[in-house]
Amino acid sequence: EAGVAQSPRYKIIEKRQSVAFWCNPISGHATLYWYQQILGQGPKLLIQFQNNGVVDDSQLPKDRFSAERLKGVDSTLKIQPAKLEDSAVYLCASSQAGSGPGELFFGEGSRLTVL
Amino acid sequence: DQQVKQNSPSLSVQEGRISILNCDYTNSMFDYFLWYKKYPAEGPTFLISISSIKDKNEDGRFTVFLNKSAKHLSLHIVPSQPGDSAVYFCAASSIYNNNDMRFGAGTRLTVKP
Repeated sequence: EAGVAQSPRYKIIEKRQSVAFWCNPISGHATLYWYQQILGQGPKLLIQFQNNGVVDDSQLPKDRFSAERLKGVDSTLKIQPAKLEDSAVYLCASSQAGSGPGELFFGEGSRLTVL
Repeated sequence: DQQVKQNSPSLSVQEGRISILNCDYTNSMFDYFLWYKKYPAEGPTFLISISSIKDKNEDGRFTVFLNKSAKHLSLHIVPSQPGDSAVYFCAASSIYNNNDMRFGAGTRLTVKP
């Protein structure tokens, strides 16, 4: 079974530039998450999708971050314009859980460096 | 808001001994708890979980204990092996909050041969 795929693995940009990350979850997983992990901290949820609908985006900085999951499968996370404090690893995860709890399956992450 | 806390950033143990990693939470609505393991340059991988209706769950060398009254859980690894060296994240979720998962800051475990 293929795991969660993310790209690019690494990205270096200057502040005020834009960047986009892509995620393809495990086949059949209805729930998709984007997490931000800053060095030395645990993953912080940015947005949760159930199929192509947003379940929770309360911690997404909507003035600069956006995410979509148009066909209920893969997803993109965009940052525009980027700030220095956006330097982090962006983790995508998916889960089979619809209405109940369950483990998340993570991708390898996309490491963003903002200069 | 740090609803899940891992107060020990690092832990070092000798191979063959017990590793005990601790986690505290503040939200009494959490009803499902998980431990994830993370190697460098990889995403976290699921290790073991426990529902709030239980106080212990065991899987091979790994055991998770839950003390709901103290809002505390711990992960025991016995015996510890050098391959267990990684960062361990505690996570919690609540069915009342769409099961969104909150993570602690992690504890870096080093198992010395």
